[in-house]
Amino acid sequence: AQTVTQSQPEMSVQEAETVTLSCTYDTSENNYYLFWYKQPPSRQMILVIRQEAYKQQNATENRFSVNFQKAAKSFSLKISDSQLGDTAMYFCAFWVEYGNKLVFGAGTILRVKS
Amino acid sequence: EAGVTQFPSHSVIEKGQTVTLRCDPISGHDNLYWYRRVMGKEIKFLLHFVKESKQDESGMPNNRFLAERTGGTYSTLKVQPAELEDSGVYFCASNAAHNSPLHFGNGTRLTVT
Repeated sequence: AQTVTQSQPEMSVQEAETVTLSCTYDTSENNYYLFWYKQPPSRQMILVIRQEAYKQQNATENRFSVNFQKAAKSFSLKISDSQLGDTAMYFCAFWVEYGNKLVFGAGTILRVKS
Repeated sequence: EAGVTQFPSHSVIEKGQTVTLRCDPISGHDNLYWYRRVMGKEIKFLLHFVKESKQDESGMPNNRFLAERTGGTYSTLKVQPAELEDSGVYFCASNAAHNSPLHFGNGTRLTVT
């Protein structure tokens, strides 16, 4: 079975501080892509960051970075210098190479407080 | 470029009624996907179109759900008759090539009372 587990339903962080959202997944495939999507209160889901499973180097995108541990099937998202605009629901997901669907977790609500 | 658009943004219907959701993908995107999120749960895949053809409809809950994509442009998802458990947010997404990033719409929040 292919599953994604996000163990933190809700998290809060002070503005300018750092927060890490956890994600573990399960797949028997060796080649896949991992994603973090963000859905702000306006509801459009946008891609935050992407990681190819064959790459050992962790992906970074400005204030967003991941800690990808393939053996442990872990893919956490670190947000540095948190901003009020980071308040959103964050979804972890993966896509198996040659597959045709994203497999999502249940999401983590992140609230950035001033 | 215009993004993925979905209509309506919110629909409230009574059990037993019919609702049709619409999705307009990004122009030129052959791949179109429907997903659903039931409150508090993960987002689940419903089906995948390549142009007008259903590539994979393994996620469709039952035969009360019918998806179409005539002409390979916009898609509709009809629920008939609606049941209480159909409530949730229905997302549409599209991409141009297999494995390229998905672009999502704002979703349609369906409430069945």
